[in-house]
Amino acid sequence: EVQLVESGGGLVQPGRSLRLSCAASGFTFDDYAMHWVRQAPGKGLEWVSGISWNSGSIGYADSVKGRFTISRDNAKNSLYLQMNSLRAEDTALYYCAKDAQWLATSWFDPWGQGTLVTVSS
Amino acid sequence: DIQMTQSPSSVSASVGDRVTITCRASQGISSWLAWYQQKPGKAPKLLIYAASSLQSGVPSRFSGSGSGTDFTLTISSLQPEDFATYYCQQANSFPFTFGQGTKLEIK
Repeated sequence: EVQLVESGGGLVQPGRSLRLSCAASGFTFDDYAMHWVRQAPGKGLEWVSGISWNSGSIGYADSVKGRFTISRDNAKNSLYLQMNSLRAEDTALYYCAKDAQWLATSWFDPWGQGTLVTVSS
Repeated sequence: DIQMTQSPSSVSASVGDRVTITCRASQGISSWLAWYQQKPGKAPKLLIYAASSLQSGVPSRFSGSGSGTDFTLTISSLQPEDFATYYCQQANSFPFTFGQGTKLEIK
């Protein structure tokens, strides 16, 4: 069974940094792209960032480009999101999601349960 | 960036009704489109991928169609468990983008 467990969320002041982690199990991690998707309270889904299986292709939403960095450690079956210069509008539940296609970037299945990031002074 | 526009933003329907949700891309995305269902307090669930392929385990009352810029999600006969919010997502190119969501409510 595929499991994705996010961690690292919490309350942080504006301008500070936070690093999210996603521990993956139940599949061959280095065969799949991975993504971060967020959802602000009461709002819709926003794709944040994605990384291909070999880290050769990386993408970011315009809203986080230059502030967030996605990375992965295939030896540790882990995905990361380094978030710098955090803003109030970054407050959201952050989901880790596995790409559904082998060696491609496409749609997301499954998703983790999310980790909550709150940016406030 | 590719913008995804869903309509309607909300719809009220009854058990047994047929419901159609549309999603329009700001530029052609071939069949690089997925549909998700999200229930309150839960992570989204993949329903349809590649515009019209049913994800394993998803009931056959769900179907998707379209290509290029115009897509639809149809639920042929609504069941009580189908009342949720539905999102489309384009996977044609980074940055990936979602529609704003359609909330399906009980009439």
